[in-house]
Amino acid sequence: DGGITQSPKYLFRKEGQNVTLSCEQNLNHDAMYWYRQDPGQGLRLIYYSQIVNDFQKGDIAEGYSVSREKKESFPLTVTSAQKNPTAFYLCASSLNRDPLMKNTEAFFGQGTRLTVV
Amino acid sequence: RKEVEQDPGPFNVPEGATVAFNCTYSNSASQSFFWYRQDCRKEPKLLMSVYSSGNEDGRFTAQLNRASQYISLLIRDSKLSDSATYLCVGQKSGGTSYGKLTFGQGTILTVHP
Repeated sequence: DGGITQSPKYLFRKEGQNVTLSCEQNLNHDAMYWYRQDPGQGLRLIYYSQIVNDFQKGDIAEGYSVSREKKESFPLTVTSAQKNPTAFYLCASSLNRDPLMKNTEAFFGQGTRLTVV
Repeated sequence: RKEVEQDPGPFNVPEGATVAFNCTYSNSASQSFFWYRQDCRKEPKLLMSVYSSGNEDGRFTAQLNRASQYISLLIRDSKLSDSATYLCVGQKSGGTSYGKLTFGQGTILTVHP
């Protein structure tokens, strides 16, 4: 089955620790995204990547880092510099082409709930 | 001003009702739009794509008005299972960041018996 997989589903971190969230897709999508969602809020873009070995900051990149060494993988590291990391993290992927060409919708993984204890 | 804005609701409607959600966008570079549905503590899932003036899929109709920078979603004959948060999404076209998706804050719908 083609899809996008995030792991782990739940993650607990002590203050001051870095933690890496995994995101893997086998949809052959070039574009991948990381969003953060806080309770009762919409999705805010952390980082996105349109192609391997390239990525761009989103609206709330401070305290986060990413890498895109393989097309299938886009891991997100939540660093100790992120002041309020407890949130629901969602990874998504899509075809990387001009939206005017259609079929550019994003598909999401099931998310990772990160809690700082 | 946020790039994509929605009325957060909540909307509470009886089964069988017709309900409409509105969404406005400020970035004229946004060329494609989507409506996603998100159930509690789950990931968003695509409900409808809106590439031109609008489209219809069963009980759901989406409309796009580029002149007013406005998108709407109409749900007819509401079902209990329609209860969810509905997210309006704009996607940029052209430039170096084409494809970038921007989400509204979501509109909560509760359908009651």
